[in-house]
Amino acid sequence: DARVTQTPRHKVTEMGQEVTMRCQPILGHNTVFWYRQTMMQGLELLAYFRNRAPLDDSGMPKDRFSAEMPDATLATLKIQPSEPRDSAVYFCASGLVLGREGTGNEQFFGPGTRLTVL
Amino acid sequence: AQSVSQHNHHVILSEAASLELGCNYSYGGTVNLFWYVQYPGQHLQLLLKYFSGDPLVKGIKGFEAEFIKSKFSFNLRKPSVQWSDTAEYFCAVNAQGYSTLTFGKGTMLLVSP
Repeated sequence: DARVTQTPRHKVTEMGQEVTMRCQPILGHNTVFWYRQTMMQGLELLAYFRNRAPLDDSGMPKDRFSAEMPDATLATLKIQPSEPRDSAVYFCASGLVLGREGTGNEQFFGPGTRLTVL
Repeated sequence: AQSVSQHNHHVILSEAASLELGCNYSYGGTVNLFWYVQYPGQHLQLLLKYFSGDPLVKGIKGFEAEFIKSKFSFNLRKPSVQWSDTAEYFCAVNAQGYSTLTFGKGTMLLVSP
């Protein structure tokens, strides 16, 4: 049963520290998405990649957030320095987006990383 | 840009009651539509999806949704809810030509035994 995996599942850190979250997409999926979920804002798209290339990261605060895909089996989301307002659940999702226009298909979500910044 | 509106933030029902959760989207072109469910402390899971064809789609766990193009709606229904249906439900739309999904704010459903 193919699944998206994320590590760590929980992270508690102090303000100013660097946080790195990792995601392993489903093998064969060509698109990876990073979301942030909070009570106030709901589910927000931070960034996404197609075939490891970043397509859109306009949802991310550029000064402190960065997202990369070092290879097809690993996506990372880094926050440096972290702030209390970054406390949220961060979800990674992957999907197989086909066609020249790139119309999306269903996305498969990982279990999330619950981040608490003190 | 497309947007998704879910009318009810919280719904409370007793077991065996019927459920209908509203979802409207704004986009004039072709869309794919999804309902996801998030059980407490878990990740989002796909309930059902509509791409084309029969506008009444059936998903897992007895859920169904009807796409009404003229109303830009994709409401989720279940004839008889169970306590285990307690969860948050998200409607999402993918517009043709876009790779991303736009999610609604979610509806929290609480089913009392």
